[in-house]
Amino acid sequence: GAVVSQHPSRVICKSGTSVKIECRSLDFQATTMFWYRQFPKQSLMLMATSNEGSKATYEQGVEKDKFLINHASLTLSTLTVTSAHPEDSSFYICSARARLGNSYNEQFFGPGTRLTVL
Amino acid sequence: DAKTTQPPSMDCAEGRAANLPCNHSTISGNEYVYWYRQIHSQGPQYIIHGLKNNETNEMASLIITEDRKSSTLILPHATLRDTAVYYCIVRLTSGTYKYIFGTGTRLKVLA
Repeated sequence: GAVVSQHPSRVICKSGTSVKIECRSLDFQATTMFWYRQFPKQSLMLMATSNEGSKATYEQGVEKDKFLINHASLTLSTLTVTSAHPEDSSFYICSARARLGNSYNEQFFGPGTRLTVL
Repeated sequence: DAKTTQPPSMDCAEGRAANLPCNHSTISGNEYVYWYRQIHSQGPQYIIHGLKNNETNEMASLIITEDRKSSTLILPHATLRDTAVYYCIVRLTSGTYKYIFGTGTRLKVLA
């Protein structure tokens, strides 16, 4: 249980194009999903918190117009990198907060999406 | 900023116990300690979490000091597949539930 998928797993695009990444919770409903970015040999950096049916909350320094997040259902959140540039090349990882027992506990992470912008 | 500090790297012999320390000296009473690991180019995998008491599951044991300012993750019989970056995270028991990752410990299990 508690499986999170991401699509695509890898994408290469030209500079200036937009890329959409999907994050799905496969066997549970997730009211909250999170988006992270990870550069090579670095730790995960939280970009934004996505709540179903409401606007995402972005971390300081993350451009909300650059990284558009939509959380339209309890099982799907999308991250769109608009007008991508080479510096946006990174490993993007989503997670979903799952309920265990009588309380909402840990986040379950997707396998990640590697974005390369040429 | 991350609220945890961990050694950057550790080695462990295969079959031996791996003890990974974490310092969280500013932890408050309503914050859990979580451990995840990340194998190269994959998403982090949940290992274990605790609030005050020591915890054990099929993967590992978590020992939390009485003052809660530090903890140790124990992998009882490390295998080569346990080679990964291990992250210790503190998380509020309510609110946003968001994680702030520190730099983690790169554990290398040696044959």
